[in-house]
Amino acid sequence: AQSVSQHNHHVILSEAASLELGCNYSYGGTVNLFWYVQYPGQHLQLLLKYFSGDPLVKGIKGFEAEFIKSKFSFNLRKPSVQWSDTAEYFCAVIPARSSASKIIFGSGTRLSIRP
Amino acid sequence: GAVVSQHPSRVICKSGTSVKIECRSLDFQATTMFWYRQFPKKSLMLMATSNEGSKATYEQGVEKDKFLINHASLTLSTLTVTSAHPEDSSFYICSATTGTDTQYFGPGTRLTVL
Repeated sequence: AQSVSQHNHHVILSEAASLELGCNYSYGGTVNLFWYVQYPGQHLQLLLKYFSGDPLVKGIKGFEAEFIKSKFSFNLRKPSVQWSDTAEYFCAVIPARSSASKIIFGSGTRLSIRP
Repeated sequence: GAVVSQHPSRVICKSGTSVKIECRSLDFQATTMFWYRQFPKKSLMLMATSNEGSKATYEQGVEKDKFLINHASLTLSTLTVTSAHPEDSSFYICSATTGTDTQYFGPGTRLTVL
């Protein structure tokens, strides 16, 4: 079955620390990959996405993610976090050429930044 | 661009009543809309997929007679929770896509059934 794993359930960092959130998926074919963020009390927003091309994808607010096909991974990174990055982060996958575009979400990683 | 709204943002109802939640794509036409349920500290669970003018496709375990979905136009889908019970209390989120695989999410509706 297709699934998305986010191994870090809760990450606590101090401001200016570097961030890497893990995401692995299980699907044998081509996939489209996403990272969404949900700030406290707000709705899900798209951080970045990868469909094809350069496997290093840059998103909003200084985030980037690298698609490593051989590892079925799409880890999210940010070199220096800010207190405002406190949020829930969701990795998601859609099998490419999926007519229904059904997105499969990971369980989420809660990021807490200490001021 | 790509804004999705939901109404209401919060609703409290009595057990046994029905509640309708609207999802609108404000600045684009959505070929497909999705309805999710989010449990506290959990990920989103897909409930159903709806395409304009056709019947919704429900995920396994989701009662289609309880969660009625109508996708009347390319900018509006509604979810009606019929005969609501306290266990239906949850955060309901819709998303919309133009078919490019990127989904745009609404702000969610907090349903509390007393």
